[in-house]
Amino acid sequence: DIQMTQSPSSLSASVGDRVTITCRASQSISSNLNWYQQKPGKAPKLLIYAASSLQSGVPSRFSGSGSGTDFILTISSLQPEDFATYYCQQSYSIRTFGQGTKVEIK
Amino acid sequence: EVQLLESGGGLVQPGGSLRLSCAGSGFTFSNYAINWVRQAPGKGLEWVSTISGSGGTTYYVDSVKGRFTISRDNSKSTLYLQMNSLRAEDTAIYYCAKGTRTTASGGDWFDPWGQGTLVTVSS
Repeated sequence: DIQMTQSPSSLSASVGDRVTITCRASQSISSNLNWYQQKPGKAPKLLIYAASSLQSGVPSRFSGSGSGTDFILTISSLQPEDFATYYCQQSYSIRTFGQGTKVEIK
Repeated sequence: EVQLLESGGGLVQPGGSLRLSCAGSGFTFSNYAINWVRQAPGKGLEWVSTISGSGGTTYYVDSVKGRFTISRDNSKSTLYLQMNSLRAEDTAIYYCAKGTRTTASGGDWFDPWGQGTLVTVSS
């Protein structure tokens, strides 16, 4: 089974900060990596698919990069509505989620 | 608008059974694989199961193999998850999520998700 490891598990940041979250796969998954955002009490929402494609309606401050085993989600300028938990997910072999990264207000 | 709506959650004793449903609307249901994902209280997301658009191919996470069965009725645009031999560790919100391909083998992403239904396994 493919394991997904996110880092950090949590971070504190201020509005306007540039934030990066890393996701590492236990083996190569090509570009089969997706990112989701989840706010408390809500269902997850797709942000980025196929490693770097921005889902329709998602603000352009979100971007994704990487291939193989190492991937990055970047929020270029953190906004108040971005405080949430972010999950990566591989779909190369069945599916697996990372453990999540909680973005909190500093 | 593409929508998914789960139902069937509730309180069940350990060893008991429950069947979840997920009704789809706004899209041609049979054209897409559908997934179940769960989230234990205060924990992260865990993929549970996927079924192809035709229903002919299914996948499960190891922890539910032999206990859970995913199925679908395309004539009713409805997905099911039959859960047997339930354990305390199955307590979670269960979400259904639409895939982006007909096949269940992967290379896709989940969008949209339903609002979830809570399953509590406790005596």
